[in-house]
Amino acid sequence: AQSVTQPDIHITVSEGASLELRCNYSYGATPYLFWYVQSPGQGLQLLLKYFSGDTLVQGIKGFEAEFKRSQSSFNLRKPSVHWSDAAEYFCAVGTTGTASKLTFGTGTRLQVTL
Amino acid sequence: NAGVTQTPKFQVLKTGQSMTLQCAQDMNHEYMSWYRQDPGMGLRLIHYSVGAGITDQGEVPNGYNVSRSTTEDFPLRLLSAAPSQTSVYFCASVQRWNTGELFFGEGSRLTVL
Repeated sequence: AQSVTQPDIHITVSEGASLELRCNYSYGATPYLFWYVQSPGQGLQLLLKYFSGDTLVQGIKGFEAEFKRSQSSFNLRKPSVHWSDAAEYFCAVGTTGTASKLTFGTGTRLQVTL
Repeated sequence: NAGVTQTPKFQVLKTGQSMTLQCAQDMNHEYMSWYRQDPGMGLRLIHYSVGAGITDQGEVPNGYNVSRSTTEDFPLRLLSAAPSQTSVYFCASVQRWNTGELFFGEGSRLTVL
């Protein structure tokens, strides 16, 4: 069975600073990988996804993520954080034919200081 | 399009009571699922459906029941509520298996006393 680890429970960055959120997955074959963002009191919104091809994927709101098979990682990055990026971020893994059956990490809460 | 609509948004139950969380989507999506979100545990899959008339269990199905009589609706039933079922519940839908983009409802916060 697949699993996802997000080692950082809470991260604080200053506005304008760069950001990297870590995600490690466990799955025997090539996974489908996702990053979702959840604002307070809201559902989750897809930031970006990796299925195959280019290992550097671009998403919405200026986010990108890089798939590194050798490290079983899919870290999320943003060059310059905005105060509105404060939210909880979830990494998720899925498999072929199971789009409605994702396995989520425990989340990383991002705080942005002005 | 309203997207994914969940009702109610808040509910308080007593132990042993039953209730149904409603979920409806108007995007003609094939796949639907229910997750629960608990602090420090992320989202865990309760049940999912790959089409009308087809449902299956996820990671934490005990104490919950689902049915999928139409493409649009996917209600989640709590048969006899327990305090361990206090959580925020999210319904999600996705059009096809190969897109991976789940559309989430805004959540239903359930408290069981």
